[in-house]
This record gives sequence, structure tokens and C-alpha cells, in this order.
Amino acid sequence: EVQLVESGGDLVQPGGSLRLSCAASGFSVSNNYMTWVRQSPGKGLEWVSLIYGGGATYYADSVKGRFTISRDSSKNTFYLQMSRLRIEDTAMYFCARGRGNYFPYFATWGQGTLVTVSS
Amino acid sequence: IQMTQSPSTLSASVGDRVTITCRASQSISDWLAWYQQKPGQAPKLLIYRASNLEAGIPSRFSASGSGTEFTLTIRSLQPDDFATYYCQRYNLYSWTFGQGTKVEIK
Repeated sequence: EVQLVESGGDLVQPGGSLRLSCAASGFSVSNNYMTWVRQSPGKGLEWVSLIYGGGATYYADSVKGRFTISRDSSKNTFYLQMSRLRIEDTAMYFCARGRGNYFPYFATWGQGTLVTVSS
Repeated sequence: IQMTQSPSTLSASVGDRVTITCRASQSISDWLAWYQQKPGQAPKLLIYRASNLEAGIPSRFSASGSGTEFTLTIRSLQPDDFATYYCQRYNLYSWTFGQGTKVEIK
């Protein structure tokens, strides 16, 4: 069964750092599109970052230079390293697996992990 | 590219035919997906490539469109369909969601 489980969400002060993890089962993260999407409380969905099977990475302008997506094939897990966190980064962070012959859309989702940035 | 959904909220009854519109600020061909999200849950993929029904999604859901205007239709609304629906345009390097349409019970 294909499954994604996020972890690492926490309360952190503005300017702080946090690393989110997304453990995959039923498929390999190393040859799939893997992505992070966030949702601020009561708001809509915002794409954050994506890593291609070949290793190329992309980021939303709102997080570029502050967040880094990566993966560990040996643990079948991918990560979102977040630094210089801002209050507006407060959100539920979902990981997802992309699918698509040309461009990826998000077919399988985890249940999310909550990040709260507050002093 | 901006994605704009209408309406933002839709009140409907069980059995109603419901249509949600998603407009792109410029042409996106058919690179559009639709998702359903219920409170406290992750989004669920309904439609990809503008009109392709995801496996396991009931056939009462359908979608169409290309270029800048797209629609999601629920043929006969069921109690399980009350949720928020998002469109999403996608390409090689960026992904943008619409603001969402909440379908609520009338």
C-alpha cells in the first residue's frame, strides 16, 4: 500500500529552523516526484517545493532561499528543511507524491504535520 | 499565472447538479487538476489533465475545459460530497491552486 507519513511539526520561534520528514512506503522516493504543500489555518492550499526523481528541485517564491527539499533513499524518506521561519509560515504541511507522464500533479497525500511559528 | 475559482461558496442540496468554474490568467492548455478536501483531512485527487477521472472516484464527478476556462461538475450531489474543491494548474516547475470552492448543505 502506498502511504506517506509526515513528522517533525512543532512550535518554533520566528527566525528559527525546523526539519519536516515524510516517510514513504509502497514505493521509492528516489524515482518519484515528491512535493510539499502547506495550508495556513482556515486558508487554501499553497505549493511549497518539489523534487524530481532526477534530483531537480523547485520552490515557491515565498520560501526560496529559506527552505530546502531533500531525500534519503536509504530511509525512503524526504525532507523539508525550513530556516529563517516567519509567522506566515505557520501552516499544516502536507507531503505528496506526484504522478504524470509529462508534468506532475499530486496523486497521494500524507495527513499533514503542523508547524506553528510564534514567539 | 493566477487561478480563480467561482463561486467561493456554493449552497446545494443532495441530488443537485453542481458546477464549479476555474479560470486561469493565461492559457495552461489542459494542465489542470481538481482536488477535494474535507475538514481535517488531506486533499484528494479527483481529476487530472483537465478531464481524466482518477481511479476510484465516482463517475458523478466530471470535468472539462482547456486554455483558460475549466469546470468541475458533480452530477447528483451526495452527502459525502460536501467539501472544499480546489483546482490546480501544473507544469514543469510551478504549481498553483485556486482559492477553493466550499460546497455546503443548503
